[in-house]
Amino acid sequence: GAVVSQHPSWVICKSGTSVKIECRSLDFQATTMFWYRQFPKQSLMLMATSNEGSKATYEQGVEKDKFLINHASLTLSTLTVTSAHPEDSSFYICSARRLSEQFFGPGTRLTVL
Amino acid sequence: GIQVEQSPPDLILQEGANSTLRCNFSDSVNNLQWFHQNPWGQLINLFYIPSGTKQNGRLSATTVATERYSLLYISSSQTTDSGVYFCAVYTGGGNKLTFGTGTQLKVEL
Repeated sequence: GAVVSQHPSWVICKSGTSVKIECRSLDFQATTMFWYRQFPKQSLMLMATSNEGSKATYEQGVEKDKFLINHASLTLSTLTVTSAHPEDSSFYICSARRLSEQFFGPGTRLTVL
Repeated sequence: GIQVEQSPPDLILQEGANSTLRCNFSDSVNNLQWFHQNPWGQLINLFYIPSGTKQNGRLSATTVATERYSLLYISSSQTTDSGVYFCAVYTGGGNKLTFGTGTQLKVEL
């Protein structure tokens, strides 16, 4: 139990385009999901907390207009990187909370050319 | 904010060896998790351990919350144990996870 999926696994896009990443909890409902970012050889940094039916809470320094989060149902949260630029290239990982524990998706590798 | 430091940052072991990874945190926490990030980037939950000791096969973990540290023990290491080990602590009312700096482990034949 406690499986989280992400789609796509990897994406390459041109500078200026928008990219949507989906995060799904497959065998449990999650009122709270989280989005993290990880640069090579570094740790995970929390970007935002996604709450079903309400606005996301963003961490300090994260541009909410650039990283749009929608938690439309108890099993789906989406992250849209708008007008992506090369500096947005990174590994994006979501997690979903079941009871008190977080379970992580496999990640999405974004490359912006 | 809270600081979470892990040691050692890098570790190379021969298959069959034992190791201890350490996680120190700078403030009181609600809870703590250990993860293994495999070479493909997937984070695998190892332990959810606010205090005390837990064991799962060749792995065990101990958290001493009053002294603000946790230890992960790996016994009889295998090449499949390679990857990055993270501890992460719950703060912000028990909702947010702050990740440690990680330990990169390589197990060689």
